[in-house]
Amino acid sequence: GNSVTQMEGPVTLSEEAFLTINCTYTATGYPSLFWYVQYPGEGLQLLLKATKADDKGSNKGFEATYRKETTSFHLEKGSVQVSDSAVYFCALYLRGSTLGRLYFGRGTQLTVWP
Amino acid sequence: KAGVTQTPRYLIKTRGQQVTLSCSPISGHRSVSWYQQTPGQGLQFLFEYFSETQRNKGNFPGRFSGRQFSNSRSEMNVSTLELGDSALYLCASSLGALDSGNTIYFGEGSWLTVV
Repeated sequence: GNSVTQMEGPVTLSEEAFLTINCTYTATGYPSLFWYVQYPGEGLQLLLKATKADDKGSNKGFEATYRKETTSFHLEKGSVQVSDSAVYFCALYLRGSTLGRLYFGRGTQLTVWP
Repeated sequence: KAGVTQTPRYLIKTRGQQVTLSCSPISGHRSVSWYQQTPGQGLQFLFEYFSETQRNKGNFPGRFSGRQFSNSRSEMNVSTLELGDSALYLCASSLGALDSGNTIYFGEGSWLTVV
């Protein structure tokens, strides 16, 4: 089947620390991969995406590389800020599937302290 | 350019009642999908509409239904509400159908509390 597994949270970091949130996936087809972020009381915002193997998505200092060999799409940021505190969701989408939908991980809560 | 707009943002209903939630997609977007978010189950796919037709449906009971209008606006309805229906309901839109590979944008959601 199709699924996304994210590292369990919560993740607590000090400002300017390095962030990694692991994400691995299982897909029956050829997926596009996404990271969405959800701030308290809000909906989901697209953070970055990658549509094929070895693509690197990047936005606001966050990066993730689509690794087909390890079926992974880990999110990284070199120096986190307090404003990055949010829940991060990894998701996959199967292109060309008749069951088009996003498959989400369970989310990882990130808290950044000043 | 306006984003995905959902109304109402917050509502409280009583068990047994029904509720209708509305979603206006980004202008030009023809695909609308709905997700339910709860602490216990996470984000679960409800259904997707494209050009007024339901293309895909998640594993939810028949009490959950939806529709899409000719202007791409969508509504979802939940009948005979149960306490477990309390959740954040998220609407998402994209240019084409979901399997076209377009980026999917989400609204801020409708918070439903069933008492």
